[in-house]
Amino acid sequence: KQEVTQIPAALSVPEGENLVLNCSFTDSAIYNLQWFRQDPGKGLTSLLLIQSSQREQTSGRLNASLDKSSGRSTLYIAASQPGDSATYLCAVRAGGGNKLTFGTGTQLKVEL
Amino acid sequence: NAGVTQTPKFRVLKTGQSMTLLCAQDMNHEYMYWYRQDPGMGLRLIHYSVGEGTTAKGEVPDGYNVSRLKKQNFLLGLESAAPSQTSVYFCASSYPPEQFFGPGTRLTVL
Repeated sequence: KQEVTQIPAALSVPEGENLVLNCSFTDSAIYNLQWFRQDPGKGLTSLLLIQSSQREQTSGRLNASLDKSSGRSTLYIAASQPGDSATYLCAVRAGGGNKLTFGTGTQLKVEL
Repeated sequence: NAGVTQTPKFRVLKTGQSMTLLCAQDMNHEYMYWYRQDPGMGLRLIHYSVGEGTTAKGEVPDGYNVSRLKKQNFLLGLESAAPSQTSVYFCASSYPPEQFFGPGTRLTVL
């Protein structure tokens, strides 16, 4: 059974710092990995999707990498801002039906 | 283009009551999903559908039923609510590979 782990569970950084969020998965036979952002009391917003054949994807200040063989992905946030404060979730697709297995998330707080 | 919408946003039930949560999407997606999110557990898949008229079980299907009579709608039913079903429920739709989520329904079962 696929298991997805995100460490740390919570992270607090000062504004302007570059930071890395980690995601690991137990079964490397994945189709893709998706990073989401969730604001308190809200739904999930897709940030980046990396196909299994890709190494990384970039969107603005966000860069996600994927090392399928080692079962790891990182989300790099450059020059963090208070507006980046949210919970970040990673999810992997490993079977039919485009079903996702989620990690429990990293709660990020960027302080002024 | 509203994306994925969920009705209702909040609901309080008593143990044993029944209710139906409605999910609607206007993106013409084939795939739709129901998840529940509990503290410390992440999101877990309840049921999903790969097209109109189809449904399939996810990771935690017990106590729930679903129907996909129209492509744009996916209904989640609780026949006899239990306190263990207190959770936030999210619907999602997908034109693979990306999934798009609704804003959630917060359900409390007393």
